[in-house]
Formats: sequence, C-alpha cells, structure tokens
Amino acid sequence: ETGVTQTPRHLVMGMTNKKSLKCEQHLGHNAMYWYKQSAKKPLELMFVYSLEERVENNSVPSRFSPECPNSSHLFLHLHTLQPEDSALYLCASSPRSTGGRPEAFFGQGTRLTVV
Amino acid sequence: QKEVEQDPGPLSVPEGAIVSLNCTYSNSAFQYFMWYRQYSRKGPELLMYTYSSGNKEDGRFTAQVDKSSKYISLFIRDSQPSDSATYLCAMSYGGATNKLIFGTGTLLAVQP
Repeated sequence: ETGVTQTPRHLVMGMTNKKSLKCEQHLGHNAMYWYKQSAKKPLELMFVYSLEERVENNSVPSRFSPECPNSSHLFLHLHTLQPEDSALYLCASSPRSTGGRPEAFFGQGTRLTVV
Repeated sequence: QKEVEQDPGPLSVPEGAIVSLNCTYSNSAFQYFMWYRQYSRKGPELLMYTYSSGNKEDGRFTAQVDKSSKYISLFIRDSQPSDSATYLCAMSYGGATNKLIFGTGTLLAVQP
C-alpha cells in the first residue's frame, strides 16, 4: 500500500462514453501527476498539478480533462476516447513540486480498455 | 534520440545470480536518479533513489550513477524469484514540476 489509491482498477468503455478516473493520496503531498503506460513504451507524463494548480500539460488531447479540487484528490475525465487510448493510467504524488527529492509514489493504476 | 535508454529485456537469470540493470541518458542536466520496481498488474514502487554521482546500497540492492558517462546501474545480489518484475529507471532535473523521465523498463525473471 503506497498511500495513493486509484479507482476503478479496471474500466471498459465505448468510444462515445464519458467516464472519470479518481485518485486519492493520503501522504500529505502537494504535487500530483497523471501518467500513461502503454506496452513497450516509457511512462508518459500527461499532467502535473502543484498545489491544485495545473503546471504542466504534455500536449495531451482534449478528450482527456484533468481536475484537481484539492491537494488530496485528482480526477481524469474521459470522453470520446479512441481504441489507442487503451492503457494503464497511473496517478502519482510527490512531496514537493519544486526542489528537494523528486521521487513520485504511484497508485496501482486503472487499466482502461476502449472498445 | 530518446532522453533515457533502457534495454527492455527480457532478462532471465537463475536464483542466486547477480543481476545488473542499466540505463543511459542524454541530458546532462539530470540530477536525480531513481529505480522503480513494477510487478505485473501493479503500479511502480520506488526501490532506490540517488542524487548526483556515486553509489547507494540498500540490502541486496546497489544503485550506481556515473554522470561523466551518463550511465546508471542497479545491481541485485543473491537474486530471488520474488525479484521477478519490471525494473524502471527514472530521472529528473528537479525544476518547477520535478517531473520524472522514465526508461521503457527491463523485464527480469529469476528462475528458481
């Protein structure tokens, strides 16, 4: 148990559906991240939130929409996804967004399948 | 050229062997170096963290960073079947977001 909880663990959705992924961290961290992990590819950083403010968006398509209502919760809203968006979506948090140790603590991920 | 290169394996070794996992990188600005372990169907878990060049040991695990060669290594002594997982190297130059740049991961199988 890493202190970062993601729900749901598995999600199958059609291309016209709207769904949301949820992440919650109990570590008192103030930076949270969404990563995408596809087979045989490095983890791709999608979004970074620091103190509830989005500080980075790595050219992610608008069909992915993040939301960070407070420093403990992070959402990823999904709509009109494509089959190539099927992947493991990982949430992470880190103690500080600037300076100091940058290591991130990951949740278990949501395995998303778009049909 | 990728910022971080890592051989995807798979790497298969007998139980008790010494395992060497490596990554090379191109950005000399990286200051922080990490190794994560990821079991099947799980999220990555932090294994080792090193700042700048040097060695760090934790039990059976040793992390080495050679900034002059832009090369990092993870050694596992007396490998166990429970070490079978994907090992991901990650790096950061700190900065405003402390974002991590990952290698593709090396799949390790330790045979009993």
